[in-house]
Amino acid sequence: QLQLQESGPGLVKPSETLSLTCTVSGGSISSSSYYWGWIRQPPGKGLEWIGSIYYSGSTYYNPSLKSRVTISVDMSKNQFSLKLSSVTAADTAVYYCASQYCTNGVCYFDYWGQGTLVTVSS
Amino acid sequence: EIVLTQSPGTLSLSPGERATLSCRASQSVSSSYLAWYQQKPGQAPRLLIYGASSRATGIPDRFSGSGSGTDFTLTISRLEPEDFAVYYCQQYGSSQTFGQGTKVEIK
Repeated sequence: QLQLQESGPGLVKPSETLSLTCTVSGGSISSSSYYWGWIRQPPGKGLEWIGSIYYSGSTYYNPSLKSRVTISVDMSKNQFSLKLSSVTAADTAVYYCASQYCTNGVCYFDYWGQGTLVTVSS
Repeated sequence: EIVLTQSPGTLSLSPGERATLSCRASQSVSSSYLAWYQQKPGQAPRLLIYGASSRATGIPDRFSGSGSGTDFTLTISRLEPEDFAVYYCQQYGSSQTFGQGTKVEIK
């Protein structure tokens, strides 16, 4: 069973870059059946997909965030990372990393990290 | 981008009652790529249903999913106390989007 754990600063200043890392255990990030995604949830609101990455490095971003998002993978550490630039208070949210099983004609997020709250404030 | 609209926003029911949650897409979604998640306060979402109608591992059979095209439904046949939560639908296809959620609360 996969386990995912987010890590990174809980407070980021406006206009700076938010950086988070997700460490995967219980399986390999180079699995051909999985994509690795980031999803966020502002306080009291719904879920928003940020983007996903395949172990090969192929990335897929939410069009509304694409200009500010970079997702990368480090297979040697079994980790993937999120960078979100030029943050504002609207980027304050709980950020989740999740594994997305995509094979045999289906695709869904099956394992999630516990989430980490990132607050954008000076 | 495909917009998923969930209704109702809030469903007030008693334990033992049947819950019917709707997810309507702004354009056709492949059934293979429609999933439902449950989220309780302070917790990460949990996968319930994938491929519109397949239950995830360990999900009780009181949860069922159905639908195709633009209209999908999550049904909880008899609500248990642990089922009161927020439910989200999600599509993978044209980018990826989540619905805004339906809260199932105790009446």
